[in-house]
Parts: sequence; C-alpha cells; structure tokens
Amino acid sequence: EAQVTQNPRYLITVTGKKLTVTCSQNMNHEYMSWYRQDPGLGLRQIYYSMNVEVTDKGDVPEGYKVSRKEKRNFPLILESPSPNQTSLYFCASSLRVAGRFKETQYFGPGTRLLVL
Amino acid sequence: SQQGEEDPQALSIQEGENATMNCSYKTSINNLQWYRQNSGRGLVHLILIRSNEREKHSGRLRVTLDTSKKSSSLLITASRAADTASYFCATVAASGGSYIPTFGRGTSLIVHP
Repeated sequence: EAQVTQNPRYLITVTGKKLTVTCSQNMNHEYMSWYRQDPGLGLRQIYYSMNVEVTDKGDVPEGYKVSRKEKRNFPLILESPSPNQTSLYFCASSLRVAGRFKETQYFGPGTRLLVL
Repeated sequence: SQQGEEDPQALSIQEGENATMNCSYKTSINNLQWYRQNSGRGLVHLILIRSNEREKHSGRLRVTLDTSKKSSSLLITASRAADTASYFCATVAASGGSYIPTFGRGTSLIVHP
C-alpha cells in the first residue's frame, strides 16, 4: 500500500532532550517535507527536500534539523526541544514527473509532540 | 508563508444541506488545491484546479476559481455527517519555480446528523 509513515505517533518529552521523528514513504517520491500544525495557524512548513542530500528551510525552521540520506526517509530532528515546539507534525511527499513536481502531496498520519 | 485564507473559519450545518467554503489568495497562481483533514489525521487531497480552469467537479464536490478576484470556492452538496472535517486550500505560485503548495488556516466544518 502506497503510504507515508511517521513514528512515533505520540511523544511526550522534556525540554532539552534530543528527539527524532522518522518519516518514510514507499512511493519513490523525490520531494518530502515537514509541517507543523498549531491551532489558528494552519500548516506551516518547517523544512523540505527536493532530492537526496538536498534540503531547504521552510517558513519555521528554527530549532529543527533534517537529513535526506536516502530517498525514502526524511527524519525531523529536535536537538534541544522546547515547550513552544509542542505541536502536531506532518510529513508529506510528492512525485516529480518530467522535471517538475506533481503538486499533490501525500501526508503521513501525524505525530503529536508534547514538550514539558 | 501562507497565501490562501479560508472563509469562514468555522461552519456548522445540518445533514443534507450544502456547505460552501471560500479561499482568497494574494498573488498569481499556477493552481489551487483543496485538502480535507479529519480530526488529528493527515491531510487528504480532494481536488486541484488550474489557473486556466473555472470549475471542476468530483462527486459531491464542486470547485470554482475566479482568478480576477483571486478566490476559489468549495461546495459540498448534500452534506453528510462523515463530511465533518477541516478543509484547507493550498496555492501553487505561478512563478518562482516552486511547485509546492502553500496552505491556508482552514475551515472547520461540522455536519450535524
């Protein structure tokens, strides 16, 4: 089944304790991205990647890191989490066709993070 | 940065009624998309309309686009309780080389059985 998976789905942690949220897609998509969703603010893009070893900042990259060592995986790293990073996080991916990306994004189920 | 802004922020209707949500945007677009999100779940793509199109249908969904007013509407006909969800519009800019959609804040739709 074609899908985007995220782990963990729920996470409670404490300030300063490094964590990684994994994202994996099995659709051979080149484009992957991370969003955070907060009440009243909608979805805001954190980082995106257009290909292996190519990553770029989105609208709210501060406090986050990403890596794209393989096409299928795009982990989100919080080196020193803070309470303002408490949020619902979504990973998404898109296919590139004939040199441009298909605009439709496929979303993972979300990771709900609470930083105490 | 957010480009599309949905209106209303929240909508509450009875089953069987039609639901209309609007999206306004600021800069020229290549296309506009509507997504649906059930509570706490990932977004699901519903429909895409390109800048040279004025109307598209998909089942009970009807999307219109007015590029002169920089606005789009999503109509859900004969709504069902299962349509309860948040609906987001997302725009892809006409220039700049980015083909990735930028999302608005969403409209929360509640359909009462």
